[in-house]
Amino acid sequence: EDQVTQSPEALRLQEGESSSLNCSYTVSGLRGLFWYRQDPGKGPEFLFTLYSAGEEKEKERLKATLTKKESFLHITAPKPEDSATYLCAVHGYSTLTFGKGTMLLVSP
Amino acid sequence: DTEVTQTPKHLVMGMTNKKSLKCEQHMGHRAMYWYKQKAKKPPELMFVYSYEKLSINESVPSRFSPECPNSSLLNLHLHALQPEDSALYLCASSPRAGDNQPQHFGDGTRLSIL
Repeated sequence: EDQVTQSPEALRLQEGESSSLNCSYTVSGLRGLFWYRQDPGKGPEFLFTLYSAGEEKEKERLKATLTKKESFLHITAPKPEDSATYLCAVHGYSTLTFGKGTMLLVSP
Repeated sequence: DTEVTQTPKHLVMGMTNKKSLKCEQHMGHRAMYWYKQKAKKPPELMFVYSYEKLSINESVPSRFSPECPNSSLLNLHLHALQPEDSALYLCASSPRAGDNQPQHFGDGTRLSIL
C-alpha cells in the first residue's frame, strides 16, 4: 500500500524566514510525485511534478526536490500570501495517494 | 482561475432530498475524478472515470451515484445522504487515468446535510 507522510503538520514563519516542508513516501513503482497548494475553501492548486530522484523544479519562491525516499518543498523568503496548506501526493500503479498536508502560516 | 468548473459552490440539503453536483472541463482530458474532503484532511478518492466509463469505485455507498454524460462533463447524483456526508466534494481531471500527469482540481462544492 502506498503511503505518504508530511511533516511538520503546521509551520509558522515570519515573513522572509526561509524553511522546508518534508514529504516521505513509500510506493510501488513511482510514476510521479506532486505538490499542491490548497487555500481554505478552495480546491488543490497544482504546483510541481517530480518524476525521478535528483529532479528539481522551481517557481517563484518555491523549489521542490526529490530523492528515492522523500521530497522537500523549500520556501525562500516567504510572504504572507504563501500561507496555505501544502499537499504532497504520489502516483503509484493505480491512484493518487495524498499526505495529510502541512499548514503554513507566514506572518508579516 | 481553475480550468475545472464545479457547480453549485454551496449546497444545503435535507436527508430526503435528491440533488446533483456538476463538473465541467474543456482541457480535452479523458480521465475525471470525484473526491471527498473533510476539514483538515486530505482528499479521498471516490470514483474514477476513464473515457466516460467508470473504472474505479472506492467502495462508495450507493447513495452517491456518478455519471459521465460525455468527455467534458461529470455529475454526482445524491440521494438520502447522511449528516456525515457533509464535506467539500472535489472534481478533478487529467489527460488519462493511471498515467503520470497531474490532476487538475476544481474549487469544489461545499455540501451540508441537515
